[in-house]
Amino acid sequence: GQQLNQSPQSMFIQEGEDVSMNCTSSSIFNTWLWYKQDPGEGPVLLIALYKAGELTSNGRLTAQFGITRKDSFLNISASIPSDVGIYFCGSETGNQFYFGTGTSLTVIP
Amino acid sequence: DADVTQTPRNRITKTGKRIMLECSQTKGHDRMYWYRQDPGLGLRLIYYSFDVKDINKGEISDGYSVSRQAQAKFSLSLESAIPNQTALYFCATSDLHPSLDTQYFGPGTRLTVL
Repeated sequence: GQQLNQSPQSMFIQEGEDVSMNCTSSSIFNTWLWYKQDPGEGPVLLIALYKAGELTSNGRLTAQFGITRKDSFLNISASIPSDVGIYFCGSETGNQFYFGTGTSLTVIP
Repeated sequence: DADVTQTPRNRITKTGKRIMLECSQTKGHDRMYWYRQDPGLGLRLIYYSFDVKDINKGEISDGYSVSRQAQAKFSLSLESAIPNQTALYFCATSDLHPSLDTQYFGPGTRLTVL
């Protein structure tokens, strides 16, 4: 099945730095979702985007739905140690669900 | 208490063994899902159920079966486990609206098949 292309695969950053990651697809989607997965836990929805060009924030997180509807990015500002985890994107068409391969984020204090 | 629980949380088994992973939810949701997660791959849907009498195959159902014993319980079985079924398995639930943004995920079961 189709997977969403996510980059980078991993990031190692200093506490306080900003982070950016993105997802792309060859197909057009009407929804882009961003999740965080902590070690030993299930994915938790962070931000949902429903409209091309939409920019949505959730605290220090900001995500945007690309104009072409084939991509989305997630920014984390002023990273803190608890931002550590795997972030991945998701989308859907009908009953078909698609997920990115994940970006593993390590924050160095 | 967690809304979506999975048991066991970790399991190591041998090739050819039958194994069952269980999922229970207290959210009162009708819809339940089983996914697997492999390193370098996104989540993939195995099976889903819209109510007790409804079972549907997902993207990668071969080698798996499911049972929806009640609204709150959805079990995933591997009749004869093989090493490439080693993965992290997640259960999820959603209410009447089946869209991805309404799904709540359990904490996962890490399965290793030797």
